[in-house]
Amino acid sequence: KAGVTQTPRYLIKTRGQQVTLSCSPISGHRSVSWYQQTPGQGLQFLFEYFSETQRNKGNFPGRFSGRQFSNSRSEMNVSTLELGDSALYLCASSLEGQGNEKLFFGSGTQLSVL
Amino acid sequence: AQSVTQLGSHVSVSEGALVLLRCNYSSSVPPYLFWYVQYPNQGLQLLLKYTSAATLVKGINGFEAEFKKSETSFHLTKPSAHMSDAAEYFCAVTYTGAGSYQLTFGKGTKLSVIP
Repeated sequence: KAGVTQTPRYLIKTRGQQVTLSCSPISGHRSVSWYQQTPGQGLQFLFEYFSETQRNKGNFPGRFSGRQFSNSRSEMNVSTLELGDSALYLCASSLEGQGNEKLFFGSGTQLSVL
Repeated sequence: AQSVTQLGSHVSVSEGALVLLRCNYSSSVPPYLFWYVQYPNQGLQLLLKYTSAATLVKGINGFEAEFKKSETSFHLTKPSAHMSDAAEYFCAVTYTGAGSYQLTFGKGTKLSVIP
């Protein structure tokens, strides 16, 4: 079974631009969640999607948004990029998004904002 | 609200020595607890999880952790460190009955193994 796939692997943008990151979960997994990882703040929860519905959202500004498609693939979008948005963005999937399940993580998208 | 504290942002051990990485949690409801490992330029991989069954949990690569409710701890151990164990380790918590899956992570502990 293929793992969680995130594209692109690296991305360089300038302030004010917007960016879209893509995540393909493991086949059969219906829950997709996103995390931001920075040296200063560590790993922080962005949002979780299940069956095309956002079930939970972390404490991030409205510039961060996401969606999930009927095939469970997910995208996240960041508009009006700021320098502080530079981070590794990790996508993770699980079968049903229940707390006792194993989360499978992708290798991440490294976003650099200049 | 739930939180996780990992004591020591950097731990160094000699090859063959005991590995002990500390994690304390705070949760107002019964928690699910996890240890993840991250190798450079990679995502996170689950080492082990506690989901209210046995308090001593065995994971991959010889790691284990013990859930101690009285101490609100979930420390990770390995009897003998190997060079390949050098990585960053994250403790995480979520809770039973959550409507969705949201992990709260500790800040991480970077493990160095000295030959």
